[in-house]
Amino acid sequence: AQSVAQPEDQVNVAEGNPLTVKCTYSVSGNPYLFWYVQYPNRGLQFLLKYITGDNLVKGSYGFEAEFNKSQTSFHLKKPSALVSDSALYFCAVYNTDKLIFGTGTRLQVFP
Amino acid sequence: KAGVTQTPRYLIKTRGQQVTLSCSPISGHRSVSWYQQTPGQGLQFLFEYFSETQRNKGNFPGRFSGRQFSNSRSEMNVSTLELGDSALYLCASSTTGGLADNEQFFGPGTRLTVL
Repeated sequence: AQSVAQPEDQVNVAEGNPLTVKCTYSVSGNPYLFWYVQYPNRGLQFLLKYITGDNLVKGSYGFEAEFNKSQTSFHLKKPSALVSDSALYFCAVYNTDKLIFGTGTRLQVFP
Repeated sequence: KAGVTQTPRYLIKTRGQQVTLSCSPISGHRSVSWYQQTPGQGLQFLFEYFSETQRNKGNFPGRFSGRQFSNSRSEMNVSTLELGDSALYLCASSTTGGLADNEQFFGPGTRLTVL
């Protein structure tokens, strides 16, 4: 069965430190992978996607994600976290006409 | 350019009633997708419409239905409401590529509470 896992409910990081939000997937074939962010009382915002090509994808707000086919992972990263990055982050995979979201990871960046 | 708008923003209904939610996509966008977000189940895909036709469908019961009009505006209907239907319903639009498009633009959502 197709699935997306975000193993951490919450990630805490100090401002200025690098951050990683983890995502692993299980799908057949070659997936399209996405990251979205949701700020309080707002809808989701697209951050980045991976279709094919370079394993390191750069997206909005300084975020990037690394696709690792052998580990079936698509971790979200940022070299230096900001307090304003605090939000709920969702990983998603599109495969065979379905978009499947992870359960979300709450990122808390402390000043 | 105006973003995706959803009406109403908040809704309270009782069990057994039906409800209709509305979504107006970004001008020029022809694909509209609907999602349900709950604390327990997370974000789940409901369906996608393109050019007035349902193009993709998630695993929801037939009580959940939708339609799209010629101006790309979309409505979602839930009949015979259950307590478990309480959720934030999100709508997203994109140009033509649908789910795998470069970017889906999400509306702020409609918060439905079923009592």
